[in-house]
Amino acid sequence: EPEVTQTPSHQVTQMGQEVILRCVPISNHLYFYWYRQILGQKVEFLVSFYNNEISEKSEIFDDQFSVERPDGSNFTLKIRSTKLEDSAMYFCASSAGTSPPSEQFFGPGTRLTVL
Amino acid sequence: AKTTQPNSMESNEEEPVNLPCNHSTISGTDYIHWYRQLPSQGPEYVIHGLTSNVNNRMASLAIAEDRKSSTLILHRATLRDAAVYYCIPKRSNDYKLSFGAGTTVTVRA
Repeated sequence: EPEVTQTPSHQVTQMGQEVILRCVPISNHLYFYWYRQILGQKVEFLVSFYNNEISEKSEIFDDQFSVERPDGSNFTLKIRSTKLEDSAMYFCASSAGTSPPSEQFFGPGTRLTVL
Repeated sequence: AKTTQPNSMESNEEEPVNLPCNHSTISGTDYIHWYRQLPSQGPEYVIHGLTSNVNNRMASLAIAEDRKSSTLILHRATLRDAAVYYCIPKRSNDYKLSFGAGTTVTVRA
């Protein structure tokens, strides 16, 4: 069964450093998403990406964040200068569309720890 | 639309679990989606519906006639069903899923 994969599974970084989180969405999907979940809190939407551009973003997704689809398979989230409060689980998701039954398929997540 | 779900529910293995969700401010075009999140995993799609009751291999979804509430039914809970279950109203062309706190389901062996 096709699945979304994410690397690395755990990333530790120093405050102020740049990190890139990588995702390989399901191959025939057209819509891509990043969510995050701070420990013990809700899953929060960050950004959606379609047709090589951002289709929607949340207030969390400020200038420190960027997304890219550098080739036909990868989808990346970059945080330019990490802060302590960026420590969270980051989930990538993909879907074939936005209308039902296009459910979003989530990856296993990358745990980001900012020291 | 705002949703209200119980914080937690417990069930015995092999017994049914009925998970309620209130979404009284739902709009006419919102579908009702359910996702679940097993421990240390990403969310996983369970089921969705608009007006009619729906069944799939994982669960059933019963939607009230006025659409202000719905119930996710797990017919025979297994230990693998222990997870946080989220009820999420979503317009068909919306991109994001808006997760609430969900209901934590515990299944006793």
